[in-house]
Amino acid sequence: GNSVTQMEGPVTLSEEAFLTINCTYTATGYPSLFWYVQYPGEGLQLLLKATKADDKGSNKGFEATYRKETTSFHLEKGSVQVSDSAVYFCALSVKTGNQFYFGTGTSLTVIP
Amino acid sequence: ETGVTQTPRHLVMGMTNKKSLKCEQHLGHNAMYWYKQSAKKPLELMFVYNFKEQTENNSVPSRFSPECPNSSHLFLHLHTLQPEDSALYLCASSQDPREAETEAFFGQGTRLTVV
Repeated sequence: GNSVTQMEGPVTLSEEAFLTINCTYTATGYPSLFWYVQYPGEGLQLLLKATKADDKGSNKGFEATYRKETTSFHLEKGSVQVSDSAVYFCALSVKTGNQFYFGTGTSLTVIP
Repeated sequence: ETGVTQTPRHLVMGMTNKKSLKCEQHLGHNAMYWYKQSAKKPLELMFVYNFKEQTENNSVPSRFSPECPNSSHLFLHLHTLQPEDSALYLCASSQDPREAETEAFFGQGTRLTVV
């Protein structure tokens, strides 16, 4: 089947620390991969995406590389800011499916 | 401006009330979704409509009734809800999800409280 597994949270970091949030997936077929971010009281916003192996998605200093050999799509940022505090969701879609599959979300808190 | 608009943003209703949540998208998408987000639980897919046809119903209780009159509008009709139905209800839209490279666009959600 299709599923996404994210690292458990919550994650608490100091400002300017390095961030990694792990995401691995299983998929029937060749998936597209996404990271979404949800700020308090809001809906989910697309942060970045990658549609084929070895693609790197990037946005607002965040990056994730589509690794087919390890079925992973880890989110990284070199220097987090307080404003990055949010919940991050990894997700996938496949052409054989009719929906998006989301991970459980990882809560990030950045302290000054 | 996300392109997907949900109303109302907040709703408090009694267990005997009937209410409806509305979602509207102006992105030209063909697929629309309802998700339920409860505290400390994963995002739950409730319904999927693709080209106005319901293609997914994830064993949702009948007290939730979706309606998709056209590709731009999606409703969730609520009646005789329970307190455990209190949650953030998220609407999303996308191009045909079988075109896997497309992403989903979310509204800001309706915060529902059942009293």
